[in-house]
Formats: sequence, C-alpha cells, structure tokens
Amino acid sequence: NAGVMQNPRHLVRRRGQEARLRCSPMKGHSHVYWYRQLPEEGLKFMVYLQKENIIDESGMPKERFSAEFPKEGPSILRIQQVVRGDSAAYFCASSPRESSHLMNTEAFFGQGTRLTVV
Amino acid sequence: AQSVTQLDSHVSVSEGTPVLLRCNYSSSYSPSLFWYVQHPNKGLQLLLKYTSAATLVKGINGFEAEFKKSETSFHLTKPSAHMSDAAEYFCVVIPTSGNTGKLIFGQGTTLQVKP
Repeated sequence: NAGVMQNPRHLVRRRGQEARLRCSPMKGHSHVYWYRQLPEEGLKFMVYLQKENIIDESGMPKERFSAEFPKEGPSILRIQQVVRGDSAAYFCASSPRESSHLMNTEAFFGQGTRLTVV
Repeated sequence: AQSVTQLDSHVSVSEGTPVLLRCNYSSSYSPSLFWYVQHPNKGLQLLLKYTSAATLVKGINGFEAEFKKSETSFHLTKPSAHMSDAAEYFCVVIPTSGNTGKLIFGQGTTLQVKP
C-alpha cells in the first residue's frame, strides 16, 4: 500500500517559469491538503481539496497559485510566473474521511517537493 | 484563533538522557493535538495524537505526551534519547469546531542528540 506520492522530489525553475507539483493520495483517500514550508518555519496550510472540489483555499496566495484534484489522476499545485520567494518545500497530505472527522484519523504526508527558484 | 507555540527552537541532549519538547496551544474549543517528526529531507511522520481520550498518550519510538488542559500544554517526552531521534518535531493542533481539516503547525523544534 503505497503512501502519499509526490513528484518531483526536487524542482528547479527560473524566475517567470511555471511550476507544477503533483500529489497522488493514498489508495482510498479522497481528501487532499497542500502545505508550504518555508526555511526555518513550520508548515502553513494552503488548500484543501476533495475530488473535483476546492473546499478551503484560504491559505493560497491570491495570485499565481492554483490547485486542482480531478476525478482521475493526481492533485496538482500550479505556480505561475514563479519568484524567488516561492522557493520552499511543498507537502501534500491525504486522508480518508471528511474533514470534520479528521481528529479521529490522521493525515498522511508525502515526502514533499522542494522547489528552488533561481 | 487557534494556535500552537513551541517554546524551544532547538533542544540538545546527550544520548541516553531524557527528552522534553514543549508545546502550548491556544484554542477556544477542546482541540485535537498531534506531534509529527520530520527527518532530514523526509516527509512527516505521525508520532502520536490526542483526541480527548486518555490525557497521557503513548506514541511510536518510545515517545509520549501529556495533555494538560489547565496549563494548555502538550509536551512531548522520551525517557532516553537515541541518536536516531535527531530530527525536527512539530506540534500540531486541529480545532474541533468549524474546522476544515486544516492542521495548524508550530514552528518546530530541532532535536540534536549528542553521543
């Protein structure tokens, strides 16, 4: 039973390019969360998605960032026109249940994608 | 607003001595609390969780934590540190009311274990 799979593990982009980060949740999980970890900081919530729906995107920057979780395939976090400040580790987590029950389960995290903008 | 504060950014112990990583939380409701560990260049692994059952929670690798409502604390302890415990530790809260599954992370505590 594979865990949460994120790819690529490392991504280097030049300023102005687009970055696409992929997350395949654990089998049977239909809830996906994206977090960003800046250097020397804890993880900050970005967005919560269910299949084909964005449930909570209160942590997403208003511009250049978008996320989707299509019916088929992985969840994608897309960053357009990247800037140096976007350099961070981006973690995806998945859970099998609705968010209101999250306290009785746990979110399983992927190993993260480390984005470096040069 | 819910939040967690990890009181130490770095903790250094000798192998075989006790570990104490401190965490205080702020929540209007009875929270769910977690400790996660992150080894270098790895993902996060759940150590233990408190979800309003027993206040003393035992986790993996000999770690445990005690929920103290009167002190709003959820400190992580281990009787005897091992070299493999060197990692980053995060205290995490999930508010139980009106939440959308957002995990609120503390800033992390780096545990160094000296031989």
